[in-house]
Formats: sequence, C-alpha cells, structure tokens
Amino acid sequence: EAQVTQNPRYLITVTGKKLTVTCSQNMNHEYMSWYRQDPGLGLRQIYYSMNVEVTDKGDVPEGYKVSRKEKRNFPLILESPSPNQTSLYFCASSLSQGQLYEQYFGPGTRLTVT
Amino acid sequence: LAKTTQPISMDSYEGQEVNITCSHNNIATNDYITWYQQFPSQGPRFIIQGYKTKVTNEVASLFIPADRKSSTLSLPRVSLSDTAVYYCLVGDIPNNDMRFGAGTRLTVKP
Repeated sequence: EAQVTQNPRYLITVTGKKLTVTCSQNMNHEYMSWYRQDPGLGLRQIYYSMNVEVTDKGDVPEGYKVSRKEKRNFPLILESPSPNQTSLYFCASSLSQGQLYEQYFGPGTRLTVT
Repeated sequence: LAKTTQPISMDSYEGQEVNITCSHNNIATNDYITWYQQFPSQGPRFIIQGYKTKVTNEVASLFIPADRKSSTLSLPRVSLSDTAVYYCLVGDIPNNDMRFGAGTRLTVKP
C-alpha cells in the first residue's frame, strides 16, 4: 500500500531533550516536506526536500533540522525542543516538485514538550 | 502568491449537495487550484485539482469560471463522514509556494 509513515505517533518529552521524528514513504517520491499544525495558525511548512541531499527552509524552520540521505526517508530533528514546539506534525511527499499540489500526507505526530 | 478566501464554516445535512466557494482574485496565469480534505487528527488528503472550466472525479467536482477569480468545490450527496475541513490552495507548479489557509469546516448533520 502506498503510504507515508511517521514515528512516533505520540510523544511527550521535556525541554532540551533531543528528539527525532521519522518519516518514510514507499512511493519513490522525490519531494518531501514537514508541516506543523497549530490551532488558529493552520498548516505551516517547516522544511522541504526536492531530492536526496537537497533540503531547504519553509516558513517556520527555526528550532528544527532535517536530512535527506535516502530518497524514502526524511527525518525531522529537534535538537533542543521547547514548549512552543508542542504541535501536530505532518510529513508529506509528492512525486516531484512539479506535482507539489498532489501531496500525500502521513498520519501525524502529536508532540508535547513540557 | 494568490490569497484565497473561504467561508470559515458550513453546515449541511446528509444527502444534500454541498458547494464550497473559494475566492482568489489575484490568481496568476500559471496558478492551479487544488482542494484538500482533512479529518480531525489526520493529514490532509488531496481531493481535486483544476486549471479552468470543470473537473470531476469520483469524489467531487471543481467548477472554475472563465475569469478564474473563484472556484467551487461541489460534494454530491454528502454523508456524515464528509464532516471535515476543506482547504482551497492556489499556486504555481513547480514553485514551492503551496500554502494552506484556514479552510472551511464542513459539518454534516443527520
């Protein structure tokens, strides 16, 4: 089944403790991205990647890192999480940047930073 | 980047046709119009995309007038499971300028 998977689905952590949220897609998509969703603010893009070893900042990249060493994986790294990073996170992918508007989204990761 | 305006919320009843209109007065020549659906605590799901006139798939229809300054997502005979937030996005492919607005919260009642 074609899908985007994220792990973990739920995570409660403390301020400053480094964490990684994994994202994997099995559709051989070139384009991948991370979003966060907050009440009243909607979905905002954090980082995106047009292909392996190519990443770029989205609208809200502060406090986050990403890497794209393999085509299928696009982990989101929070080196020193803070409470304002408490949010619902979604990973997404599309065949290429040319099909950007037909993105497949993962199930989401709900992160709480205390 | 064309700004979009949608109603914040809409109510409907099972079996009715629902039309959600999105205004995008500043749409550019190369912009496409795309609609997504999002259920609570799930990722958005692509519904339909169009450039002009009418597009129909198994889920919905998208009507785009000649001036392209608005578009209407039409959901035929909605059911309770169509209760979701619907997002209208307008932008150029392949630029990375995809933006989700607040969306329209559709509530389908029995």
